[in-house]
Amino acid sequence: DAKTTQPPSMDCAEGRAANLPCNHSTISGNEYVYWYRQIHSQGPQYIIHGLKNNETNEMASLIITEDRKSSTLILPHATLRDTAVYYCIVRVRLGGNQFYFGTGTSLTVIP
Amino acid sequence: DTEVTQTPKHLVMGMTNKKSLKCEQHMGHRAMYWYKQKAKKPPELMFVYSYEKLSINESVPSRFSPECPNSSLLNLHLHALQPEDSALYLCASSQDRGGTGGEQYFGPGTRLTVT
Repeated sequence: DAKTTQPPSMDCAEGRAANLPCNHSTISGNEYVYWYRQIHSQGPQYIIHGLKNNETNEMASLIITEDRKSSTLILPHATLRDTAVYYCIVRVRLGGNQFYFGTGTSLTVIP
Repeated sequence: DTEVTQTPKHLVMGMTNKKSLKCEQHMGHRAMYWYKQKAKKPPELMFVYSYEKLSINESVPSRFSPECPNSSLLNLHLHALQPEDSALYLCASSQDRGGTGGEQYFGPGTRLTVT
């Protein structure tokens, strides 16, 4: 699976949009981009995933560049409860179910 | 029900003990996973079960022995562990099908301390 690169930490003001970038320049055509987050000492929580098109759900939006070499997770109105480590994962659907987590971005939402 | 449960929440064991971690899901998922997470590190995949068969073992030492007695249950048997095996052990499950989807649902984890 392709590797991902994320900034180690980011801050965001409460109520503002949090934009978390992820670089996956070696992604191949059949690899999906998944985002998870992990609030301190809890299990990771699924947020969103996509292949080519931008995706939106009740938690977040996922913007994938046209060349698919990078993506951005957008939390539209960050709250204090969004403080967590956010992981970007690329995963091949065919050939197995394994997820390999990168180092993630520690997001701190500031009051 | 979108919940994965894990027991116990905390476990302290000596290096000569034998203990087991338990994971349960009732979402009809046919893929189940064990991960190990050290402090301030990302989760590391240990084992994957697909349709109750072990499909992936990420070169995990034999002192960790997984078992999948049925499609809802996943166990991790522990024997002769070392202090460096102290970590948060996470269980997850997902649908096992081709195409899109396959997002994993994680349990809260078992915090293991080996003394």
